[in-house]
Amino acid sequence: QQQVKQSPQSLIVQKGGISIINCAYENTAFDYFPWYQQFPGKGPALLIAIRPDVSEKKEGRFTISFNKSAKQFSLHIMDSQPGDSATYFCAASDPRDDKIIFGKGTRLHILP
Amino acid sequence: DTEVTQTPKHLVMGMTNKKSLKCEQHMGHRAMYWYKQKAKKPPELMFVYSYEKLSINESVPSRFSPECPNSSLLNLHLHALQPEDSALYLCASSQTGTSVEETQYFGPGTRLLVL
Repeated sequence: QQQVKQSPQSLIVQKGGISIINCAYENTAFDYFPWYQQFPGKGPALLIAIRPDVSEKKEGRFTISFNKSAKQFSLHIMDSQPGDSATYFCAASDPRDDKIIFGKGTRLHILP
Repeated sequence: DTEVTQTPKHLVMGMTNKKSLKCEQHMGHRAMYWYKQKAKKPPELMFVYSYEKLSINESVPSRFSPECPNSSLLNLHLHALQPEDSALYLCASSQTGTSVEETQYFGPGTRLLVL
């Protein structure tokens, strides 16, 4: 119930391509869905976040798509660049306990 | 300044040692967090301090002892650790800690190796 399932585990994309990372959840009480980006040797950084009353949110090249009925959400990185190579974590939180539940992460590598 | 600093960057300790990890932020944030991250895994929340008071302890073993001397500083005291405690220890801070939607700013972490 408290899990957030993330796929794929790793992803290789050509420069200029679209990177897509998917997440799914079971807990319908989750009401906040952030994505974090983590570079090697650094802590995670909040990339973009969405609430379930919105089906899509776009910030620059990064877009979250949210499907409430399917309990799925995804991150799309348009025009992927080598500098986007990092580990991406989707996450969710239940307002009843104020904790962030992380997915297992996706290691993204953008080929130059 | 959105920086959270952590010292040391790397730490090697024996199972009988006592050591401390330090975290500092000057963003005026009143909430500070300790996370543990094993290789190729997501961060796991350990402790949360809000307004210098411990608000969340995720059933962490007592060999880890957090301390928040003031709103800018957070320490993690380590004693009698086990090799399985080897991990990256991340500190983070946020505005008040009263909402999970507050952006948490993470430090670069301390990479700990327990021999």
